[in-house]
Amino acid sequence: DAKTTQPPSMDCAEGRAANLPCNHSTISGNEYVYWYRQIHSQGPQYIIHGLKNNETNEMASLIITEDRKSSTLILPHATLRDTAVYYCIVRHQTGANNLFFGTGTRLTVIP
Amino acid sequence: DAGVTQSPTHLIKTRGQQVTLRCSPKSGHDTVSWYQQALGQGPQFIFQYYEEEERQRGNFPDRFSGHQFPNYSSELNVNALLLGDSALYLCASSRAGQGADTQYFGPGTRLTVL
Repeated sequence: DAKTTQPPSMDCAEGRAANLPCNHSTISGNEYVYWYRQIHSQGPQYIIHGLKNNETNEMASLIITEDRKSSTLILPHATLRDTAVYYCIVRHQTGANNLFFGTGTRLTVIP
Repeated sequence: DAGVTQSPTHLIKTRGQQVTLRCSPKSGHDTVSWYQQALGQGPQFIFQYYEEEERQRGNFPDRFSGHQFPNYSSELNVNALLLGDSALYLCASSRAGQGADTQYFGPGTRLTVL
């Protein structure tokens, strides 16, 4: 699976949009981009995933560049409860493929 | 609709002992993966079970073994515990053959080895 690069930490003001970047320059055509987050000492929570097109759900939006070498997770109106470590993961489409968690981005939402 | 459940929540063992952790997958899921998360690090893949067979394994010694039951629930066994086995153990479930087969995680079991 392709490796991802994320900034180690970011701050965001409460109520503002949080934009979390991820680089995955070696991604291949059949690899998805996944985002999970982990609030302290809890299990990782699935947020969103995409292959080529931008995706949106009730939690967030995922913007994937046309060349698929980078993506951005957008939390439209960050709240204090969004403070967590956010992991960007690239994985194969199907099959016995585990998730490789890097170090992620620690997002702190500031009141 | 129950999500992924794990038991116990916390566990304290001493070096050399054996431990068994349990996981029940999300309703409708048939695949279970186990991860180990040491303090301050991201989760690391241990192995995955599908159709009661180990389908894929990460870089963990044979002291780590598992089992999947006909109802898709799973156990993780660790023998001859070391201090370094202290970690949060996470179980994730998914449904095979569903395109991206997204994995959903349980709350984890916190294992402390003294």
